[in-house]
Amino acid sequence: DAGVTQSPTHLIKTRGQQVTLRCSPKSGHDTVSWYQQALGQGPQFIFQYYEEEERQRGNFPDRFSGHQFPNYSSELNVNALLLGDSALYLCASSLAGTGVLNEQFFGPGTRLTVL
Amino acid sequence: AQKVTQAQTEISVVEKEDVTLDCVYETRDTTYYLFWYKQPPSGELVFLIRRNSFDEQNEISGRYSWNFQKSTSSFNFTITASQVVDSAVYFCALKDNFNKFYFGSGTKLNVKP
Repeated sequence: DAGVTQSPTHLIKTRGQQVTLRCSPKSGHDTVSWYQQALGQGPQFIFQYYEEEERQRGNFPDRFSGHQFPNYSSELNVNALLLGDSALYLCASSLAGTGVLNEQFFGPGTRLTVL
Repeated sequence: AQKVTQAQTEISVVEKEDVTLDCVYETRDTTYYLFWYKQPPSGELVFLIRRNSFDEQNEISGRYSWNFQKSTSSFNFTITASQVVDSAVYFCALKDNFNKFYFGSGTKLNVKP
């Protein structure tokens, strides 16, 4: 049973560029959440996708957008990259709902460096 | 607003010592979940334990134990007889009714041989 996978592992971009990160959820999961983890900080919630729609959003600008596909995989897009966007981007998958079964499983993350 | 505070930035212990990681949370929700995650240098967050707001029963699992006290809004985590492999960053997190997670800033645990 494959867990949450993310690609690429590492990415280097320059300011002003755009980037797309990808996430495949754990088998059987239908909800994907994205987090940004700056160096030395805890993960910060970006947004959550369920049924191909953004359901919840954290305090991030519109430069951060996402998409969920019918197979539940997801993309995170960041436009007009800033130096401050350098971080580890984590994807987590779960089952919809608020019960015990909706435990979030995290992927290994994508390390984004903006130069 | 939801908030998780981990006041201990970094802790260093010698192998076999016991260590407690502190976590204090703020929420107005009556139903919520609390979590501890471990993040080794590889970066992947590893789930350790979950508690819901109605379950204040403390638990011991091997060398790990947890102390959840709603009266003080604390959810502390203890490692007994620490090992070098326990070295990692530990995060406390709160999940609200909308399935959003709020993480603390983490406590880096260094276990020295």
